[in-house]
Amino acid sequence: EVQLVESGGGVVQPGGSLRLSCAASGFTFDDYAMHWVRQAPGKGLEWVSLISGDGGSTYYADSVKGRFTISRDNSKNSLYLQMNSLRTEDTALYYCANSLSGYMVYWGQGTLVTVSS
Amino acid sequence: SYELTQPPSVSVSPGQTARITCSGDALPKKYAYWYQQKSGQAPVLVIYEDSKRPSGIPERFSGSSSGTMATLTISGAQVEDEADYYCYSTDSTGVFGGGTKLTVL
Repeated sequence: EVQLVESGGGVVQPGGSLRLSCAASGFTFDDYAMHWVRQAPGKGLEWVSLISGDGGSTYYADSVKGRFTISRDNSKNSLYLQMNSLRTEDTALYYCANSLSGYMVYWGQGTLVTVSS
Repeated sequence: SYELTQPPSVSVSPGQTARITCSGDALPKKYAYWYQQKSGQAPVLVIYEDSKRPSGIPERFSGSSSGTMATLTISGAQVEDEADYYCYSTDSTGVFGGGTKLTVL
């Protein structure tokens, strides 16, 4: 059974940093690219970032480019999102998802990030 | 980047056919995918590559695409199909439509 468990969310002040993690199990982790997708409270889904299976290619939404960094550790079956220079508009539930051909197949339950002073 | 446009809401009675559209200039060249999100839950893939249905998704869910518009069709919608539905497409970056709230009552 595929399981994706996000962690690392919390409350942070504007301008602060946070690192999200996603622990994966139930599939061959390095065979899959991985996404981060977020959802602001009461709003729709927003694609954030994608990393290839070997970690060699990364992609970002314009709204986070230069502030967020996606990475993975295939030896630990783990995905990460380093978020710097956080803004109030980054407040959202952050999901990780595994990927086939660029689309999300299985999703975790999300971790909540609140950016507030 | 490009945009995908969905109607904010669609309403049908149980047993009727619900159709949710997604329009975007890239859709003639790119696949559309559809996700169902019930209240308080993570999204679930219901259609991939325009018209393919993952295992475990009921046959009443189908998808099609023509030109700049993709359509999710729920034939004989059930009360349990009430949810938000999002279309998605991708090049190297991804984009979601704004979502459509389906009401079945």
